[in-house]
Amino acid sequence: DTEVTQTPKHLVMGMTNKKSLKCEQHMGHRAMYWYKQKAKKPPELMFVYSYEKLSINESVPSRFSPECPNSSLLNLHLHALQPEDSALYLCASSQGLMDVWGGAHTQYFGPGTRLTVL
Amino acid sequence: ELKVEQNPLFLSMQEGKNYTIYCNYSTTSDRLYWYRQDPGKSLESLFVLLSNGAVKQEGRLMASLDTKARLSTLHITAAVHDLSATYFCAGGDYGQNFVFGPGTRLSVLP
Repeated sequence: DTEVTQTPKHLVMGMTNKKSLKCEQHMGHRAMYWYKQKAKKPPELMFVYSYEKLSINESVPSRFSPECPNSSLLNLHLHALQPEDSALYLCASSQGLMDVWGGAHTQYFGPGTRLTVL
Repeated sequence: ELKVEQNPLFLSMQEGKNYTIYCNYSTTSDRLYWYRQDPGKSLESLFVLLSNGAVKQEGRLMASLDTKARLSTLHITAAVHDLSATYFCAGGDYGQNFVFGPGTRLSVLP
C-alpha cells in the first residue's frame, strides 16, 4: 500500500470558521509533511513531522496549527484564515527524514485538499 | 541553501518529437527527484536519481544526473498527448527539505 489519503477533497470556509484537514498513511512511514501549493507554482513546505514530533516549521502563520496524533495521522487545524490562504494543501510521507547515507527519502503525496477561503 | 531551477518553464511540442527538460541546482544535493503533476491533481513520483551518472527510464521518459555539473535532465522521446503535465524536479536538502524547482508545463499537441 503506497497510498496517502487526505480528507476532505474540497473545503470552503469563511474567515471566522475553524476547520481541520486530515491526512493518513499506512506505509509505516515516520516522517510526514504539509505543503501549500498555489496555482501554477511548486509546492511550498509548511511543516515536517518526524517520529510524531514537529521537526520543521517554515515560518507559517499561527492560524495554521499542525498536529500529529500518531505515526499514521497528520492534521492541519485552520482558524481565522485569509482569502490568500486559498490553495491546494498537500500531505506527504516518507520512510524518515533521511536514510543511512544521509540522503532524503522519496516523498509520497496525497491527492490534496482544495481549500477556498471566502 | 539549495536552489533548484528548471528550463524551459513552458514547453509546447508536437506529438512524435523529442525534447529535454533541464534541472540545475545550486549546491550539493544528495539526490534528485522528478515528479509529475496533472492539473488539479497531486504529485506522482517518477524517478529518484541517487548518484552521479545515474540514468533511469520509464516508457518515453528518461532521467539522468550529473552531480559535477549539478544538472539533471528529463528526456522525452516521441512525445504523446498523455505526457502533457507539469514536471517538477526537486533536490534533497540533506534529508531535511525537499526543494522544488518552479516546474515545466509541458503541452503535447497532436
